[in-house]
Amino acid sequence: KAGVTQTPRYLIKTRGQQVTLSCSPISGHRSVSWYQQTPGQGLQFLFEYFSETQRNKGNFPGRFSGRQFSNSRSEMNVSTLELGDSALYLCASSWVSPGTNNEQFFGPGTRLTVL
Amino acid sequence: AQSVTQLDSQVPVFEEAPVELRCNYSSSVSVYLFWYVQYPNQGLQLLLKYLSGSTLVKGINGFEAEFNKSQTSFHLRKPSVHISDTAEYFCAVTYRGSNYKLTFGKGTLLTVNP
Repeated sequence: KAGVTQTPRYLIKTRGQQVTLSCSPISGHRSVSWYQQTPGQGLQFLFEYFSETQRNKGNFPGRFSGRQFSNSRSEMNVSTLELGDSALYLCASSWVSPGTNNEQFFGPGTRLTVL
Repeated sequence: AQSVTQLDSQVPVFEEAPVELRCNYSSSVSVYLFWYVQYPNQGLQLLLKYLSGSTLVKGINGFEAEFNKSQTSFHLRKPSVHISDTAEYFCAVTYRGSNYKLTFGKGTLLTVNP
């Protein structure tokens, strides 16, 4: 069974640009969560999607958005990039609900660098 | 609101020595607890989880953790570490009222030296 895949793995953008990251969950998984990982703040929850609906949201500005498609693939978008958005963005999928008996499986992440 | 504190940001140990990585959480309701490991340039991998039942939980790679409700702790232990255990370890918590959102600690970098 293929794991969670994230594309691209590395990305370099400049301030003010926007970026779209993609996540393909494990086949059959319907919940997709996104996290931002930085050395200073650690792992912070961005949002979770289940059956194309955003079910949970962290404390990030509106520049961070996401969506989920009918095949459970998910994208996150960051508009008007700032230097502080440089981070590793991790996607995780689970069967139904993360944090219970349904283990979250993480992808390798997308390393975003904002110059 | 729930929170997780990993008391040590870095833990250096020698190969074959025992190790304990400490994790404390704060929550007023029943929690589910997890330990994840992250190797360089990789995502997170689940080591073990506590959902209910026995307070001693065994995970992969010889790791185990003990849930202590009175001390609100979930420390990770391994009796004898290997060089390959060098990685960052994250403790995480969730509970039903949070819509199962995982809250992570800041991480502990375990460095195993020969």
